[in-house]
Amino acid sequence: GAGVSQSPSNKVTEKGKDVELRCDPISGHTALYWYRQSLGQGLEFLIYFQGNSAPDKSGLPSDRFSAERTGGSVSTLTIQRTQQEDSAVYLCASSLEGGGTEAFFGQGTRLTVV
Amino acid sequence: GNSVTQMEGPVTLSEEAFLTINCTYTATGYPSLFWYVQYPGEGLQLLLKATKADDKGSNKGFEATYRKETTSFHLEKGSVQVSDSAVYFCALSEISGGSNYKLTFGKGTLLTVNP
Repeated sequence: GAGVSQSPSNKVTEKGKDVELRCDPISGHTALYWYRQSLGQGLEFLIYFQGNSAPDKSGLPSDRFSAERTGGSVSTLTIQRTQQEDSAVYLCASSLEGGGTEAFFGQGTRLTVV
Repeated sequence: GNSVTQMEGPVTLSEEAFLTINCTYTATGYPSLFWYVQYPGEGLQLLLKATKADDKGSNKGFEATYRKETTSFHLEKGSVQVSDSAVYFCALSEISGGSNYKLTFGKGTLLTVNP
C-alpha cells in the first residue's frame, strides 16, 4: 500500500482479554518497529524486526506481550490478559533497512482496557 | 545502550519568536539523527535528518546540525508560526547487534505557538 497501515484504529477491550494488533508495512521495507505512546510518556520502544527475525525484543514490558512477523511483511502484536496499564496508542513504523533511512509511521491503534 | 535526551516541555511561544529545542544523545558509534514531528491528530512524520557529523538537516524553516563533539542535535527555527504547534521528537538510529538498526526516541517536546 501507499503507507503503513494499522488495524484496528481503535480497540476497547475488557481487562483480562487478549488482543491482537496488526501492522501492514510499506511494501519492500525490511525493518519494522513497534512503539507504545502513552499520554505524557513519549514513545516507548517495544520491538524491532529485520525481516522476520526480531534482534531486539528488549522493550516488551512483560511476557504478556509478544509479536511476530511473517513473510517479511505483516506483523502482529499480541497482548495477553490485558491490564488497564496497557491502555495506550500502539504505533508501528517501517523503513527500508534501518540506519539513516526514514521510518514511516502508521496512524496507530488506540487501545483502551476497561 | 543508546539514549536520547530532549528538552522538557511544554514550550509556549508567540508567533515569530525564535525556537530552540535541545537534544543530546548517547551512542557507542556514529548514529544517524532525526527530528520527527507529530501534528495534532496526525501520525509521526520525519521533519529532518542528518547522517554524519557536521551535517545540517533542514525542512520547513527548521534546522538542526549534527554536533559530534557535543553529542547534540538541537532543533531551531528563526520565526515560528501557529501551524508549527506540535510535538517534536528527537531520535537516533544506530547498529544494534550485527547489521541491525534500532531507532531510539526522546520523550518528545510539546510546542504551542500563540498568535
